[in-house]
Amino acid sequence: EPEVTQTPSHQVTQMGQEVILRCVPISNHLYFYWYRQILGQKVEFLVSFYNNEISEKSEIFDDQFSVERPDGSNFTLKIRSTKLEDSAMYFCASSGQIKYYEQYFGPGTRLTVT
Amino acid sequence: AQSVTQPDIHITVSEGASLELRCNYSYGATPYLFWYVQSPGQGLQLLLKYFSGDTLVQGIKGFEAEFKRSQSSFNLRKPSVHWSDAAEYFCAVANPTSGTYKYIFGTGTRLKVLA
Repeated sequence: EPEVTQTPSHQVTQMGQEVILRCVPISNHLYFYWYRQILGQKVEFLVSFYNNEISEKSEIFDDQFSVERPDGSNFTLKIRSTKLEDSAMYFCASSGQIKYYEQYFGPGTRLTVT
Repeated sequence: AQSVTQPDIHITVSEGASLELRCNYSYGATPYLFWYVQSPGQGLQLLLKYFSGDTLVQGIKGFEAEFKRSQSSFNLRKPSVHWSDAAEYFCAVANPTSGTYKYIFGTGTRLKVLA
């Protein structure tokens, strides 16, 4: 069964450093998303991406964040200057053209900012 | 504002007992509704979904959920819980009239199963 994959599974970085979280969505999906889950809290929407542009972003997704689909398979989330409060689990999700409301989630990347 | 409420933060049941996890939403129209399960250290797995039609939906692992428009609820049920069901359960909604596809998640319910 096709699945969304994410790398790395765990990333530790120092405050102020840039990190790139990588996702490989399901191959024929067209809609891509990033969510985050701060430890012990609910999952929050960050951004959605379709047709090579952001379709919606939350207020959390400020100028330090960016997303990119650099090739036909990867979808990345870049955090330019990490802060302690960016420590969270980041989930990538994708959905297809027909069942676009049915999102498939990756296993997540745990980001720890020290 | 649109919101999803899961009133129970923690629930403990004995193995073999029945289970009901509550989810209430606040939306202008009938949203699309989902239940996800998250085992420790794992990602989110879709249990079931409701878009329209029959208000009782069946999912994986023996779970079902019932959409009740009058109560703005989408409660998850299982007739007999197994120890492997211990996990965190998230209700999520999407607004089909908004033109966006983002999910709004509830705060989750952590299920503990006693042997």
